[in-house]
Amino acid sequence: GAVVSQHPSWVICKSGTSVKIECRSLDFQATTMFWYRQFPKQSLMLMATSNEGSKATYEQGVEKDKFLINHASLTLSTLTVTSAHPEDSSFYICSAGPQGINIQYFGAGTRLSVL
Amino acid sequence: AQSVTQLGSHVSVSEGALVLLRCNYSSSVPPYLFWYVQYPNQGLQLLLKYTSAATLVKGINGFEAEFKKSETSFHLTKPSAHMSDAAEYFCAVSDTGGFKTIFGAGTRLFVKA
Repeated sequence: GAVVSQHPSWVICKSGTSVKIECRSLDFQATTMFWYRQFPKQSLMLMATSNEGSKATYEQGVEKDKFLINHASLTLSTLTVTSAHPEDSSFYICSAGPQGINIQYFGAGTRLSVL
Repeated sequence: AQSVTQLGSHVSVSEGALVLLRCNYSSSVPPYLFWYVQYPNQGLQLLLKYTSAATLVKGINGFEAEFKKSETSFHLTKPSAHMSDAAEYFCAVSDTGGFKTIFGAGTRLFVKA
């Protein structure tokens, strides 16, 4: 099946710094990618829909200035957690799917720990 | 709006026993339904999906699920549990076009030797 690569898999940063997470579709083009957040022992919560060449669509309650999303190409979306704080520590997962096929492939996730 | 309810946050079965994980959905449009498995500190792996074809869907690792419109259910089953099946399982629903996926709260499966 299709492959979605997420990088880095684990990142530790100091409070106040910004962290960028990359999501790549390796063998297909994706005009839309999705970013999820998962707290320990909880489900995945959709944060935003990343749209190639246009602004991301954020879910209610998600701060768009805090979580910057850029989808500059058909194979790459990035999520930047700006001025990270300990409460931003979480597992972030992206997904993407080939056009015309209603299935999403998920990245392996990025565990963010903010000290 | 779409939603998913997974009954039981934890399910424990003995090795070799039947696995039944329950999922009910709500959708105003014909849904696409999925079951994913997640192992600790890993991403999600698709087990199976329903996309309006056969109501009984077979997936990987011996899992299957049956779509029952009258009950708005999509329960996941496996005839005989294996120790390697211990993981978190998520039921999910998406609409037919946007691929926006809504996840259930998850059910953690424990398999006892």
